Amino acid sequence: EVQLVESGGGLVQPGRSLRLSCAASGFTFDDYAMHWVRQAPGKGLEWVSGISWNSGSIGYADSVKGRFTISRDNAKNSLYLQMNSLRAEDTALYYCAKDLHKYSSSSVGDYWGQGTLVTVSS
Amino acid sequence: EIVMTQSPATLSVSPGERATLSCRASQSVSSNLAWYQQKPGQAPRLLIYGASTRATGIPARFSGSGSGTEFTLTISSLQSEDFAVYYCQQYNNWPTFGQGTKVEIK
Repeated sequence: EVQLVESGGGLVQPGRSLRLSCAASGFTFDDYAMHWVRQAPGKGLEWVSGISWNSGSIGYADSVKGRFTISRDNAKNSLYLQMNSLRAEDTALYYCAKDLHKYSSSSVGDYWGQGTLVTVSS
Repeated sequence: EIVMTQSPATLSVSPGERATLSCRASQSVSSNLAWYQQKPGQAPRLLIYGASTRATGIPARFSGSGSGTEFTLTISSLQSEDFAVYYCQQYNNWPTFGQGTKVEIK
């Protein structure tokens, strides 16, 4: 059974940093691209960042480019999101999602974690 | 950025009836279109990808159609568990989502 468990969220002041983690199990992690998607309270979905199976291809939404860094550790079956210079508008539930297709990055998420909440407020 | 526009914002349907949800892209996304279902307090669930391919385990009452800029998700006979918010997502370029259609009980 595929499981994705996010952690690392919390309350943080504007301008500070936070690192999210996603622990994956139930599939061959290093065969698949992985993604972070966020959802502000009561709002829709926004794709934040994606990383290919071998970390060779990485992408970011314009809203986070230069502030967030995605990475993965295939030996630990883990995905990360380093978030710096946080802003109030980054407040959201952050989901980790597994890509649908092996060895490609379609950006279709076929399995999602339950999310970790990031609140940016003074 | 490709803008995805869903209509209607809210759809009121009786159980057993057919629901038709629309999604329009601001430019062609070919067939690179997915649909997700999200219930309160839950993560999104993939329903359809490639505009018309049902994801694993998705009931046949869910179907997708369209290509280019116009897409439709049809739920042929609404069950109680289908009342939720539905999002379309294009992945032809950097992925973007529509704002969602809430399907509520009439």
